[in-house]
Amino acid sequence: DVKVTQSSRYLVKRTGEKVFLECVQDMDHENMFWYRQDPGLGLRLIYFSYDVKMKEKGDIPEGYSVSREKKERFSLILESASTNQTSMYLCASSSPRDRVFGNYGYTFGSGTRLTVV
Amino acid sequence: DQQVKQNSPSLSVQEGRISILNCDYTNSMFDYFLWYKKYPAEGPTFLISISSIKDKNEDGRFTVFLNKSAKHLSLHIVPSQPGDSAVYFCAASCGSGNTGKLIFGQGTTLQVKP
Repeated sequence: DVKVTQSSRYLVKRTGEKVFLECVQDMDHENMFWYRQDPGLGLRLIYFSYDVKMKEKGDIPEGYSVSREKKERFSLILESASTNQTSMYLCASSSPRDRVFGNYGYTFGSGTRLTVV
Repeated sequence: DQQVKQNSPSLSVQEGRISILNCDYTNSMFDYFLWYKKYPAEGPTFLISISSIKDKNEDGRFTVFLNKSAKHLSLHIVPSQPGDSAVYFCAASCGSGNTGKLIFGQGTTLQVKP
């Protein structure tokens, strides 16, 4: 029972391309997050959203934008892909309702390995 | 400014022995701490958590210890199994508001040798 789905497992794009990474969750979660994982740097927050059409910058938003038109879908956009955006991208979701029951965690998708050449 | 730090990039232990993974944090406002496990080409999965009002939480082979005065937590795995080989991330919750944002450490790669 897959709950957070990222549309692609592997992507190869050219420098300068506009890239869309899609994430869909079926748990009716309010909060959605985009992280990137790089060796030695851990998981770094790019953007997050706590409601439809709402977005907040994370720690490394430069070169990225996001879109949340529907509650279940959170898209990450690389406006003009560059080689330093080659990374593993992870989408996650959570709900403040779960925190009431002591669940402070995220549910993650399987990740998208993006290579920019 | 790394608020959550895992200073050991890697750890290697023998099957059956104890694995101890460490994590330090700087923000005394963190109210909840979590450990995630990640296999290659998969998303992280939740392993165990602890509230800041406790100093220990145990779940089977996994125990997390929290030392608030030292701003330090550790994950103990006993006994270690080859299937435990993965990257382990420590995370902390800011607590304020409803966004539930987690701040992650750099990760520690655990290798359990048969």
